[in-house]
Amino acid sequence: AQSVTQLDSQVPVFEEAPVELRCNYSSSVSVYLFWYVQYPNQGLQLLLKYLSGSTLVESINGFEAEFNKSQTSFHLRKPSVHISDTAEYFCAVSDRSNDYKLSFGAGTTVTVRA
Amino acid sequence: DAGVTQSPTHLIKTRGQQVTLRCSPKSGHDTVSWYQQALGQGPQFIFQYYEEEERQRGNFPDRFSGHQFPNYSSELNVNALLLGDSALYLCASSLSVGRPHLNEKLFFGSGTQLSVL
Repeated sequence: AQSVTQLDSQVPVFEEAPVELRCNYSSSVSVYLFWYVQYPNQGLQLLLKYLSGSTLVESINGFEAEFNKSQTSFHLRKPSVHISDTAEYFCAVSDRSNDYKLSFGAGTTVTVRA
Repeated sequence: DAGVTQSPTHLIKTRGQQVTLRCSPKSGHDTVSWYQQALGQGPQFIFQYYEEEERQRGNFPDRFSGHQFPNYSSELNVNALLLGDSALYLCASSLSVGRPHLNEKLFFGSGTQLSVL
């Protein structure tokens, strides 16, 4: 069975500072990894995904995540955050052992301050 | 192009009652999935409907049931409500062609906030 651990429940950060959100997963087979973002009073939106190929994936708004198979991690980073990045971020994993159902972590709330 | 719409946005029920939540998928999508997001937790998969049948199910009791209509919209029904059923219920839609099992193109609604008193 797979599981997802997001190591930080809350991350306060100043505007234009870097941020890293940590995500570790457990799975014994090949995995597909996702980061979703949930802005206040909105549904989840896909931020980026790793399916295969390059282990470094990027989003259109400056986030990137790196798949590290040996450490079973998929940490999300942004070198310089904006106020508008304030949101909750969820890491998710799917694999064939669970019939590709998405398993989500508990989420990390990012609060960007001026 | 309307995205995924859910109704109602908020709902208050008492223990033992029954509730029905509704979801209209994004235009062109034919598959609907339901998730439960309890306070402080990530979404948990309830079930998925395709071609008016339940295709996958998560670890939820039979009190949770669903339906998909010919126009691809869907309902989530919960019977004999418990206090622990209080949560945000999210609907997500996708298209069955391609590689749907990879959840690449899942679009979420804003959810229905259910409070059970």
